[in-house]
Amino acid sequence: DTGVSQNPRHKITKRGQNVTFRCDPISEHNRLYWYRQTLGQGPEFLTYFQNEAQLEKSRLLSDRFSAERPKGSFSTLEIQRTEQGDSAMYLCASSLGTGNGYTFGSGTRLTVV
Amino acid sequence: QKEVEQNSGPLSVPEGAIASLNCTYSDRGSQSFFWYRQYSGKSPELIMFIYSNGDKEDGRFTAQLNKASQYVSLLIRDSQPSDSATYLCAVGGSQGNLIFGKGTKLSVKP
Repeated sequence: DTGVSQNPRHKITKRGQNVTFRCDPISEHNRLYWYRQTLGQGPEFLTYFQNEAQLEKSRLLSDRFSAERPKGSFSTLEIQRTEQGDSAMYLCASSLGTGNGYTFGSGTRLTVV
Repeated sequence: QKEVEQNSGPLSVPEGAIASLNCTYSDRGSQSFFWYRQYSGKSPELIMFIYSNGDKEDGRFTAQLNKASQYVSLLIRDSQPSDSATYLCAVGGSQGNLIFGKGTKLSVKP
């Protein structure tokens, strides 16, 4: 296991379509985080899991967004009825506990046309 | 609303000089502080973290923390063109999530 893996790397979708992204964390990491990053901005927190439990959701996470982490392993982030404002890089990160920072995946770049 | 503020730059320094990157944060109760480097089109990578007031050194990098002033900085000695990137300051939130600043773009000129 060489790091956090995200798929797909790029996704172009039409407005109104649903999209799903996958994140496979580092295997021994119990925490998994989703962030969104737009050009010129820092990563913005969306949600995080400790094992399979979703512990916090940002106000940025509207009801069109849902995240799951079944069995505390990989996670999926789904966006329903995509809007152009959803275009961004979606970053997944994982950590063991809270002390030493995260390891980020390569991200999924979403373009809504 | 917890905030992390950074000067967006760009900060331009000549090769071999010291680059100084600064960050302030709003939550006085914050306990953990991180610096990430992000190359264009890539994801952030962790450079250093610091928890205690004072300096922490790792190779050419030194993180400095002053909790009384709610200020954290990153010094890069002997800057190289390969250090050209955006540097993100992040502060640990109460639930273990990190709150990021917008980043400072550093350009090291040969």
